[in-house]
Amino acid sequence: DSGVTQTPKHLITATGQRVTLRCSPRSGDLSVYWYQQSLDQGLQFLIQYYNGEERAKGNILERFSAQQFPDLHSELNLSSLELGDSALYFCASSFGVDGGGGELFFGEGSRLTVL
Amino acid sequence: GENVEQHPSTLSVQEGDSAVIKCTYSDSASNYFPWYKQELGKGPQLIIDIRSNVGEKKDQRIAVTLNKTAKHFSLHITETQPEDSAVYFCAASGSRARGGNKLTFGTGTQLKVEL
Repeated sequence: DSGVTQTPKHLITATGQRVTLRCSPRSGDLSVYWYQQSLDQGLQFLIQYYNGEERAKGNILERFSAQQFPDLHSELNLSSLELGDSALYFCASSFGVDGGGGELFFGEGSRLTVL
Repeated sequence: GENVEQHPSTLSVQEGDSAVIKCTYSDSASNYFPWYKQELGKGPQLIIDIRSNVGEKKDQRIAVTLNKTAKHFSLHITETQPEDSAVYFCAASGSRARGGNKLTFGTGTQLKVEL
C-alpha cells in the first residue's frame, strides 16, 4: 500500500459528460501529480501541484483541469469526454516540489471508460 | 521537451536468466533516472533510481547503468524469478520550471519470467 488513495476505482460514463477523479496523497506529502495511462501511450504526465499551487504542466487537454485543496487532496476534472479519454488515471505524491529528486508514490488508479 | 524511448516492449525469459531493458532520452539536462515496476492492477512502484553523477547502481538482483554521453540507461535483473513478471517503466526528469517536476516515462516493457 503506497498510502495514496484514489476514488473512484472504476467509472463508466458517456461521451460529452463530465467526471471528477479524487486523490488523497500520502500523509505529509505536499506534491500531487496526475498521469494518464493508455495502452498505446504509456504513462503521460498531466499536471503537478505543490501545496496548492500548480508547479508543472504536461500535455493536459484544455477540457481537463485540476486543483489541490488546502487539505492537500486533489481533484482532476475531465469534461466534454470523448472515447479517446478512456484510460487509467494515476495520482502520485511526493514530499518535495521536485519529484526529480526522489520517489513518487502512486495510487492504484481510476479506470475511466467512456462509451 | 523530454522524450524517452524504451525497448523491448515485451521480454520473455526463463527463470534464473537475466533480463535487460534499455532506454534512451533526449534532454541532455535530465539528471534523474528512476525505474518503476507495475504489477497487474497496481500503480507503478519505484524499484531503483540513478542520478547523472553515477554510472552504475546495484540493489541485490537489480542494477542500473547510465551513459550520459550516449543518453542511454539500462535496467539489469539477474537470477529472474516469477515474481519479477510485471511491466517496467524507465523515466527521466526533464527541465523543471518553477521548481516543478516533469518526469517523463518510457512506454513500458512487459517482462514475463517463465518457469
